[in-house]
Amino acid sequence: DTGVSQDPRHKITKRGQNVTFRCDPISEHNRLYWYRQTLGQGPEFLTYFQNEAQLEKSRLLSDRFSAERPKGSFSTLEIQRTEQGDSAMYLCASTFMADTQYFGPGTRLTVL
Amino acid sequence: SQKIEQNSEALNIQEGKTATLTCNYTNYSPAYLQWYRQDPGRGPVFLLLIRENEKEKRKERLKVTFDTTLKQSLFHITASQPADSATYLCALAPPNAGNNRKLIWGLGTSLAVNP
Repeated sequence: DTGVSQDPRHKITKRGQNVTFRCDPISEHNRLYWYRQTLGQGPEFLTYFQNEAQLEKSRLLSDRFSAERPKGSFSTLEIQRTEQGDSAMYLCASTFMADTQYFGPGTRLTVL
Repeated sequence: SQKIEQNSEALNIQEGKTATLTCNYTNYSPAYLQWYRQDPGRGPVFLLLIRENEKEKRKERLKVTFDTTLKQSLFHITASQPADSATYLCALAPPNAGNNRKLIWGLGTSLAVNP
């Protein structure tokens, strides 16, 4: 086991394009979180899964964002019709019924 | 709503000294508070967790205190080393966090340890 992994590490896209990111949590972890982080800011909560169920979604998240965790293992985060304001680091974290969250390395998105 | 304030200015200290970082929160006392380290371009890494009924926690050169009266947590790194240079984030779980353990994060404080 090597911890939480995210793919890709970097993504450059043009405004209006759709992008999809993947997160593979630590294998036995049932909880998975997505965060967004911009320079000089702390992580901002986007959404949370327990197993395959999406239990909470930030009210700040527009309808262009969607996340799935179909089998309760890996998760995907899709952003449709990207905007320049979507440029950020997208972080995934997982945990198993515990308080400590284990983060992946993040996906850096740049929207041109 | 709950807010977290961390030193906005970067902290520069000399190697071997003790670094002290501050995390202040408003409103209600959290169920617990955590400290994470983040290096540039990387995800945060968990360091320590302290619960509302605990005053102090230690781990090797790290120490965290929690004062619910002052609504403050202090994070200390003793015998600091250049490798300790990073951004340190404070995060707390509201008392009604329930099962989702959703954390509220501070902006982080940048620490530079000079050799």
